[in-house]
Amino acid sequence: GAVVSQHPSWVICKSGTSVKIECRSLDFQATTMFWYRQFPKQSLMLMATSNEGSKATYEQGVEKDKFLINHASLTLSTLTVTSAHPEDSSFYICSARGQRGTDTQYFGPGTRLTVL
Amino acid sequence: DAKTTQPTSMDCAEGRAANLPCNHSTISGNEYVYWYRQIHSQGPQYIIHGLKNNETNEMASLIITEDRKSSTLILPHATLRDTAVYYCIVRVANQGAQKLVFGQGTRLTINP
Repeated sequence: GAVVSQHPSWVICKSGTSVKIECRSLDFQATTMFWYRQFPKQSLMLMATSNEGSKATYEQGVEKDKFLINHASLTLSTLTVTSAHPEDSSFYICSARGQRGTDTQYFGPGTRLTVL
Repeated sequence: DAKTTQPTSMDCAEGRAANLPCNHSTISGNEYVYWYRQIHSQGPQYIIHGLKNNETNEMASLIITEDRKSSTLILPHATLRDTAVYYCIVRVANQGAQKLVFGQGTRLTINP
């Protein structure tokens, strides 16, 4: 299957700081990328969907000003958690899909964020 | 949006076939059934997907009933590394963007 990478794999930051997470599709062009969040012992929750070159579509209850998403190219999307607080500590997972609507969605390995 | 129902947990002996059921009784005619799995602290891994016909790949087989209201994922010879949470997902469409919505999945434990 296709490869999606994330960086960093884990990050620890102080409360009030901002953290950027990168998601890259390594061997295909990702027209659409998705960002999920997963708390311990829970399932994945979709945060937002982004298409290359356009603004992201956020799920209900997700603050777009807090979770900034940029999908500037067909191989890179970034998620910035602004003014992070301990309750933002979670496992963030990105996913990417190719240009066709029937293309399979592949997931990155995830980024563990801990806010102190 | 079609929803899926899966057993919370299942056990299977190593070397045996693991059969994971999924109900999706409200599935629409153009919605696919996808299966992913998530090993602890990793991102989900794609396994297989199908629309109407049964599908097989190097990882698993997917059996979809004729009325498409349920399906079964089959891991033919389970190994310890197959221990994971398995998600059955019916793909939904929203604003032209196809997205995957995860339920709680089935926690499959392969026992030696």
